[in-house]
Amino acid sequence: AQKVTQAQTEISVVEKEDVTLDCVYETRDTTYYLFWYKQPPSGELVFLIRRNSFDEQNEISGRYSWNFQKSTSSFNFTITASQVVDSAVYFCALSEIVGSARQLTFGSGTQLTVLP
Amino acid sequence: DVKVTQSSRYLVKRTGEKVFLECVQDMDHENMFWYRQDPGLGLRLIYFSYDVKMKEKGDIPEGYSVSREKKERFSLILESASTNQTSMYLCASSLPVRGQETQYFGPGTRLLVL
Repeated sequence: AQKVTQAQTEISVVEKEDVTLDCVYETRDTTYYLFWYKQPPSGELVFLIRRNSFDEQNEISGRYSWNFQKSTSSFNFTITASQVVDSAVYFCALSEIVGSARQLTFGSGTQLTVLP
Repeated sequence: DVKVTQSSRYLVKRTGEKVFLECVQDMDHENMFWYRQDPGLGLRLIYFSYDVKMKEKGDIPEGYSVSREKKERFSLILESASTNQTSMYLCASSLPVRGQETQYFGPGTRLLVL
Protein backbone atom coordinates (compact mmCIF):
# COMPACT_ATOMS: atom_id res chain seq x y z
CA ALA A 1 0.00 0.00 0.00
CA GLN A 2 1.10 3.50 -0.69
CA LYS A 3 1.90 5.89 2.08
CA VAL A 4 2.79 9.57 2.31
CA THR A 5 4.27 10.99 5.49
CA GLN A 6 4.45 14.65 6.35
CA ALA A 7 6.08 14.56 9.74
CA GLN A 8 5.75 18.29 10.37
CA THR A 9 2.24 18.96 11.58
CA GLU A 10 2.72 22.69 12.13
CA ILE A 11 5.49 25.14 11.29
CA SER A 12 5.72 28.81 12.20
CA VAL A 13 8.21 31.18 10.65
CA VAL A 14 8.68 34.91 10.54
CA GLU A 15 8.19 36.66 7.23
CA LYS A 16 11.19 36.53 4.88
CA GLU A 17 12.56 33.36 6.43
CA ASP A 18 13.05 30.30 4.22
CA VAL A 19 11.06 27.21 5.13
CA THR A 20 11.19 23.59 3.95
CA LEU A 21 8.24 21.23 4.12
CA ASP A 22 9.17 17.56 4.20
CA CYS A 23 7.46 14.73 2.39
CA VAL A 24 8.45 11.06 2.45
CA TYR A 25 6.60 8.44 0.45
CA GLU A 26 6.38 4.68 0.05
CA THR A 27 5.32 2.88 -3.09
CA ARG A 28 5.99 -0.32 -4.98
CA ASP A 29 5.15 1.26 -8.31
CA THR A 30 8.01 1.96 -10.67
CA THR A 31 6.06 4.72 -12.36
CA TYR A 32 4.33 7.20 -10.14
CA TYR A 33 3.61 10.88 -9.74
CA LEU A 34 4.11 13.18 -6.79
CA PHE A 35 2.17 16.35 -6.14
CA TRP A 36 2.07 19.33 -3.84
CA TYR A 37 -1.15 21.18 -3.12
CA LYS A 38 -1.80 24.32 -1.09
CA GLN A 39 -4.99 24.81 0.94
CA PRO A 40 -5.47 28.41 2.08
CA PRO A 41 -8.04 29.23 4.78
CA SER A 42 -10.74 29.50 2.09
CA GLY A 43 -10.57 25.71 1.78
CA GLU A 44 -9.91 25.09 -1.89
CA LEU A 45 -6.93 22.88 -2.73
CA VAL A 46 -4.68 24.61 -5.22
CA PHE A 47 -2.39 22.50 -7.39
CA LEU A 48 1.26 23.60 -7.16
CA ILE A 49 3.38 20.99 -8.89
CA ARG A 50 3.45 17.48 -10.36
CA ARG A 51 6.59 15.41 -10.70
CA ASN A 52 6.91 12.00 -12.35
CA SER A 53 9.18 9.28 -11.02
CA PHE A 54 11.54 9.47 -13.98
CA ASP A 55 12.34 13.11 -13.55
CA GLU A 56 14.57 13.84 -10.60
CA GLN A 57 15.49 17.31 -11.67
CA ASN A 58 14.84 19.92 -9.04
CA GLU A 59 12.41 22.60 -10.01
CA ILE A 60 12.20 26.26 -9.14
CA SER A 61 9.20 28.46 -9.70
CA GLY A 62 9.60 31.94 -8.31
CA ARG A 63 9.98 31.62 -4.54
CA TYR A 64 9.04 27.92 -4.63
CA SER A 65 11.44 25.06 -5.21
CA TRP A 66 11.12 21.30 -5.02
CA ASN A 67 13.76 18.69 -4.29
CA PHE A 68 12.87 15.19 -5.47
CA GLN A 69 15.23 12.42 -4.34
CA LYS A 70 14.29 8.90 -5.31
CA SER A 71 17.11 7.41 -3.25
CA THR A 72 15.52 8.69 -0.05
CA SER A 73 11.89 8.62 -1.30
CA SER A 74 11.51 12.27 -0.53
CA PHE A 75 9.89 15.20 -2.29
CA ASN A 76 10.55 18.30 -0.23
CA PHE A 77 9.17 21.75 -0.85
CA THR A 78 11.00 24.97 0.00
CA ILE A 79 9.56 28.46 0.14
CA THR A 80 12.20 31.17 -0.05
CA ALA A 81 11.61 34.54 1.60
CA SER A 82 8.24 33.49 2.97
CA GLN A 83 5.30 35.87 2.98
CA VAL A 84 2.17 36.07 5.11
CA VAL A 85 0.12 34.98 2.08
CA ASP A 86 2.00 31.67 2.12
CA SER A 87 0.17 30.75 5.32
CA ALA A 88 -1.84 27.64 4.46
CA VAL A 89 -1.96 23.88 4.84
CA TYR A 90 0.30 22.14 2.36
CA PHE A 91 -0.34 18.60 1.21
CA CYS A 92 2.00 16.19 -0.48
CA ALA A 93 0.35 13.42 -2.52
CA LEU A 94 1.35 10.29 -4.41
CA SER A 95 -0.61 8.76 -7.27
CA GLU A 96 -1.20 5.18 -8.27
CA ILE A 97 -3.42 3.37 -10.76
CA VAL A 98 -6.38 1.76 -9.02
CA GLY A 99 -9.03 0.22 -11.22
CA SER A 100 -9.52 2.58 -14.13
CA ALA A 101 -8.22 5.84 -12.71
CA ARG A 102 -5.16 7.26 -11.08
CA GLN A 103 -5.84 7.87 -7.40
CA LEU A 104 -4.05 10.13 -4.98
CA THR A 105 -2.84 9.20 -1.52
CA PHE A 106 -2.42 12.34 0.56
CA GLY A 107 -0.20 13.06 3.50
CA SER A 108 -1.85 14.51 6.58
CA GLY A 109 -0.70 18.01 5.70
CA THR A 110 1.59 20.65 7.21
CA GLN A 111 0.06 23.84 8.59
CA LEU A 112 2.43 26.69 7.74
CA THR A 113 2.00 29.98 9.55
CA VAL A 114 4.04 32.95 8.40
CA LEU A 115 4.10 35.72 10.97
CA PRO A 116 4.54 39.35 9.97
CA ASP B 1 -8.51 27.37 -16.41
CA VAL B 2 -10.13 24.32 -14.94
CA LYS B 3 -13.18 25.15 -12.92
CA VAL B 4 -14.76 22.79 -10.43
CA THR B 5 -17.77 24.07 -8.55
CA GLN B 6 -19.67 22.64 -5.62
CA SER B 7 -23.29 23.42 -4.92
CA SER B 8 -22.84 24.71 -1.36
CA ARG B 9 -19.97 26.09 0.72
CA TYR B 10 -21.76 25.41 4.00
CA LEU B 11 -24.56 23.00 4.81
CA VAL B 12 -26.35 22.15 8.05
CA LYS B 13 -28.49 19.01 8.17
CA ARG B 14 -30.17 16.89 10.81
CA THR B 15 -29.41 13.27 11.61
CA GLY B 16 -31.34 10.95 9.34
CA GLU B 17 -31.81 13.44 6.50
CA LYS B 18 -30.87 12.56 2.95
CA VAL B 19 -28.14 14.88 1.75
CA PHE B 20 -27.05 15.64 -1.80
CA LEU B 21 -23.70 17.27 -2.57
CA GLU B 22 -23.29 18.34 -6.15
CA CYS B 23 -20.09 18.87 -8.11
CA VAL B 24 -19.76 20.26 -11.62
CA GLN B 25 -16.64 20.63 -13.76
CA ASP B 26 -16.37 22.48 -17.03
CA MET B 27 -13.25 20.92 -18.56
CA ASP B 28 -14.71 17.73 -20.03
CA HIS B 29 -12.75 15.58 -17.57
CA GLU B 30 -13.54 11.88 -17.52
CA ASN B 31 -12.44 11.31 -13.94
CA MET B 32 -14.20 12.77 -10.91
CA PHE B 33 -13.58 12.18 -7.23
CA TRP B 34 -15.17 12.80 -3.84
CA TYR B 35 -13.02 13.16 -0.73
CA ARG B 36 -13.66 14.02 2.85
CA GLN B 37 -11.16 15.96 4.91
CA ASP B 38 -10.88 15.70 8.67
CA PRO B 39 -8.29 17.25 10.99
CA GLY B 40 -5.19 15.09 11.32
CA LEU B 41 -6.42 12.58 8.72
CA GLY B 42 -5.73 14.47 5.52
CA LEU B 43 -7.97 13.71 2.56
CA ARG B 44 -9.61 10.34 2.21
CA LEU B 45 -11.21 9.11 -0.98
CA ILE B 46 -14.88 8.19 -0.75
CA TYR B 47 -15.77 7.34 -4.36
CA PHE B 48 -14.54 8.09 -7.81
CA SER B 49 -15.94 7.84 -11.31
CA TYR B 50 -13.99 7.34 -14.52
CA ASP B 51 -16.91 7.72 -16.89
CA VAL B 52 -20.61 8.43 -17.02
CA LYS B 53 -22.54 5.88 -14.95
CA MET B 54 -19.28 4.27 -13.83
CA LYS B 55 -18.13 4.41 -10.23
CA GLU B 56 -15.65 2.74 -7.95
CA LYS B 57 -15.36 2.70 -4.19
CA GLY B 58 -12.55 4.55 -2.54
CA ASP B 59 -11.15 4.01 0.92
CA ILE B 60 -14.20 4.99 2.96
CA PRO B 61 -17.42 4.42 0.94
CA GLU B 62 -19.59 3.27 3.84
CA GLY B 63 -22.61 5.48 4.37
CA TYR B 64 -22.26 7.16 0.97
CA SER B 65 -23.41 6.62 -2.59
CA VAL B 66 -22.73 8.51 -5.80
CA SER B 67 -24.38 9.29 -9.09
CA ARG B 68 -22.90 10.30 -12.42
CA GLU B 69 -25.59 10.71 -15.06
CA LYS B 70 -23.72 13.37 -17.03
CA LYS B 71 -20.02 13.74 -17.66
CA GLU B 72 -19.75 17.14 -16.02
CA ARG B 73 -21.69 16.33 -12.85
CA PHE B 74 -20.84 14.00 -9.97
CA SER B 75 -23.13 13.80 -6.96
CA LEU B 76 -22.38 12.49 -3.50
CA ILE B 77 -25.37 11.20 -1.54
CA LEU B 78 -25.64 10.63 2.18
CA GLU B 79 -28.67 8.34 2.40
CA SER B 80 -29.20 8.95 6.12
CA ALA B 81 -26.85 11.56 7.51
CA SER B 82 -25.13 10.85 10.79
CA THR B 83 -23.11 13.09 13.08
CA ASN B 84 -19.88 11.29 12.18
CA GLN B 85 -20.34 12.51 8.62
CA THR B 86 -19.75 16.07 9.73
CA SER B 87 -16.75 17.00 7.66
CA MET B 88 -15.34 19.00 4.80
CA TYR B 89 -16.19 17.42 1.43
CA LEU B 90 -14.02 18.09 -1.59
CA CYS B 91 -14.71 17.23 -5.19
CA ALA B 92 -12.00 16.91 -7.83
CA SER B 93 -11.70 16.09 -11.52
CA SER B 94 -8.91 15.00 -13.84
CA LEU B 95 -8.16 13.76 -17.32
CA PRO B 96 -7.31 10.07 -17.74
CA VAL B 97 -4.45 10.87 -20.10
CA ARG B 98 -1.12 9.57 -18.84
CA GLY B 99 0.92 12.41 -17.47
CA GLN B 100 -2.09 14.70 -17.17
CA GLU B 101 -3.81 13.10 -14.22
CA THR B 102 -3.51 16.16 -12.05
CA GLN B 103 -6.62 16.49 -9.94
CA TYR B 104 -8.26 19.89 -9.76
CA PHE B 105 -10.39 20.63 -6.74
CA GLY B 106 -13.54 22.53 -6.00
CA PRO B 107 -13.89 24.96 -3.08
CA GLY B 108 -15.29 22.35 -0.72
CA THR B 109 -18.52 21.95 1.23
CA ARG B 110 -18.43 22.14 5.02
CA LEU B 111 -21.22 19.85 6.21
CA LEU B 112 -22.48 19.91 9.77
CA VAL B 113 -24.85 17.13 10.82
CA LEU B 114 -26.75 17.87 14.03
